[in-house]
Amino acid sequence: EPEVTQTPSHQVTQMGQEVILRCVPISNHLYFYWYRQILGQKVEFLVSFYNNEISEKSEIFDDQFSVERPDGSNFTLKIRSTKLEDSAMYFCASSGPGVGYSKDPAQHFGDGTRLSIL
Amino acid sequence: GIQVEQSPPDLILQEGANSTLRCNFSDSVNNLQWFHQNPWGQLINLFYIPSGTKQNGRLSATTVATERYSLLYISSSQTTDSGVYFCAVSFNDYKLSFGAGTTVTVRA
Repeated sequence: EPEVTQTPSHQVTQMGQEVILRCVPISNHLYFYWYRQILGQKVEFLVSFYNNEISEKSEIFDDQFSVERPDGSNFTLKIRSTKLEDSAMYFCASSGPGVGYSKDPAQHFGDGTRLSIL
Repeated sequence: GIQVEQSPPDLILQEGANSTLRCNFSDSVNNLQWFHQNPWGQLINLFYIPSGTKQNGRLSATTVATERYSLLYISSSQTTDSGVYFCAVSFNDYKLSFGAGTTVTVRA
């Protein structure tokens, strides 16, 4: 079964540094997402991406964050000037459009990147 | 946004027991998914079930969309079923809103 892959699995960074989290969505999916989960809390939506642009973002997704699809397979989340409170598990997900080419409306999640800010 | 409430928050089971987890949501949805988060933090897709009933092995789920709830059944529980079970919903905007989860502990 195709799956979403995320790298690295664990990232440790000094406060104030920039990090890039990488994701390879399922190949025929068109919608891409980032979520985060602070330890012991529920999963929170950050941003959705479709047709090479952000379709929706949460209040958490401020100017510190950006997303990019640099080529036909990768989807990245960049966090600038990291803060202690950015420490969390970051999940990438993808889904099809639900009709036609890829009738797969379910969101499929990667294994996550655990980001630790020191 | 859509509010999602899961109950119970914690569940302790003896191996072999059956259990029911509940998810209530505050508005109409056209996507409802159940996930299992294992001790390593991975989110495993269990069901995509915006309505109706589905079964997968010892797990089954039912969503009654008109009454805004979904149930996840675990039968003959095993220690590997331990973890946190999340319900997540969305309506037309694709972003999933997650509940706080039910933490299941299955004891041998």
